[in-house]
Amino acid sequence: DAGVIQSPRHEVTEMGQEVTLRCKPISGHDYLFWYRQTMMRGLELLIYFNNNVPIDDSGMPEDRFSAKMPNASFSTLKIQPSEPRDSAVYFCASSRTGVETQYFGPGTRLLVL
Amino acid sequence: AQSVAQPEDQVNVAEGNPLTVKCTYSVSGNPYLFWYVQYPNRGLQFLLKYITGDNLVKGSYGFEAEFNKSQTSFHLKKPSALVSDSALYFCAVRDIYPVIFGKGTRLHILP
Repeated sequence: DAGVIQSPRHEVTEMGQEVTLRCKPISGHDYLFWYRQTMMRGLELLIYFNNNVPIDDSGMPEDRFSAKMPNASFSTLKIQPSEPRDSAVYFCASSRTGVETQYFGPGTRLLVL
Repeated sequence: AQSVAQPEDQVNVAEGNPLTVKCTYSVSGNPYLFWYVQYPNRGLQFLLKYITGDNLVKGSYGFEAEFNKSQTSFHLKKPSALVSDSALYFCAVRDIYPVIFGKGTRLHILP
């Protein structure tokens, strides 16, 4: 298996623009997680899905952030409009079950100017 | 509520010496405990986990961790550090979902 795939790997955009981050989980994994990592706040769980259904989005910072999982092999995290404080590395991870190891993608490094 | 703490932001160890990265946790039930490692510009990689059974868990790259229920700790250890072990290490705990990650400990192995 190719592992968790994220795209793009790097994104530079201007404040106010829409940003869409993409994730393909490992086939057969029922859980998908979106995390954000910054120096100041460390690793934060934004939202997670079970069988394509959002279970907990309490970590989503505000309404500018939204996430979808239209099918078992694809998820998006959208920021609209983006702000400089959204600059971070965004990770997607997946796991087979709720107690199993999470497998992380390589991350998307986002810079909002 | 579940929580996890990594009390050290950074740990410095000379190459060849034993290393320990500390982790304590708080849960209401029986914990699932994990260690992950992050190398520069990479995602987190799984090292080892404790769910049940033997308190000493062995993982990748020669690492091991000891589950201590009375001290609510799950410290990561390695008998002899390598320069290549230098990375950011995360402890994680799951009692009720989701998994909670600690803030990370940066490990520096000095040649």
